[in-house]
Amino acid sequence: GAVVSQHPSRVICKSGTSVKIECRSLDFQATTMFWYRQFPKKSLMLMATSNEGSKATYEQGVEKDKFLINHASLTLSTLTVTSAHPEDSSFYICSASPSGRAYEQYFGPGTRLTVT
Amino acid sequence: SQQGEEDPQALSIQEGENATMNCSYKTSINNLQWYRQNSGRGLVHLILIRSNEREKHSGRLRVTLDTSKKSSSLLITASRAADTASYFCATYPRDFGNEKLTFGTGTRLTIIP
Repeated sequence: GAVVSQHPSRVICKSGTSVKIECRSLDFQATTMFWYRQFPKKSLMLMATSNEGSKATYEQGVEKDKFLINHASLTLSTLTVTSAHPEDSSFYICSASPSGRAYEQYFGPGTRLTVT
Repeated sequence: SQQGEEDPQALSIQEGENATMNCSYKTSINNLQWYRQNSGRGLVHLILIRSNEREKHSGRLRVTLDTSKKSSSLLITASRAADTASYFCATYPRDFGNEKLTFGTGTRLTIIP
């Protein structure tokens, strides 16, 4: 149980275009989902916390207009990188938390984004 | 900013040896968790230790927590090649209203067959 999927696993896009990453909790409902960014050989940096049906809460320094997060249902959250630039290239990981247990997160396999 | 610092940053040992990684943090915690990440993959939860616990075991894993020193250690006994991965500690705060995990910098463990 507690499986989280991400799609796509790998994406290459051209500079200036937008790309959407999906995060799904497959066998549980997730009131809260988290989006992280990870640079090579570095730790995970929390970008934003999304709660189903409400606006995401972004961490300091993360541009909300650039990284659009939608949490439309209890099993799906999406991250859209708008007008992508090469510096947005990174590994993006989502996690999902069952209702009322935010300290318990189940992580997706990650999405490698390369912007050319 | 990341509050956890893992030590060492990288560790290479022979298969069969024990591996010890340390994590230090700065604020009061409700619990501390250890995760494993294989190269280019997501995180796998290994073990959670609460602030009122001092030691916890799970298979070949042994975690200790010293809240007075704000530090934790992860011991992997009888290492295997499959243990090669990055290991991260993550702290969950004691204070309400700040419910998020804060990850450490990670230790890259290489097991030499």
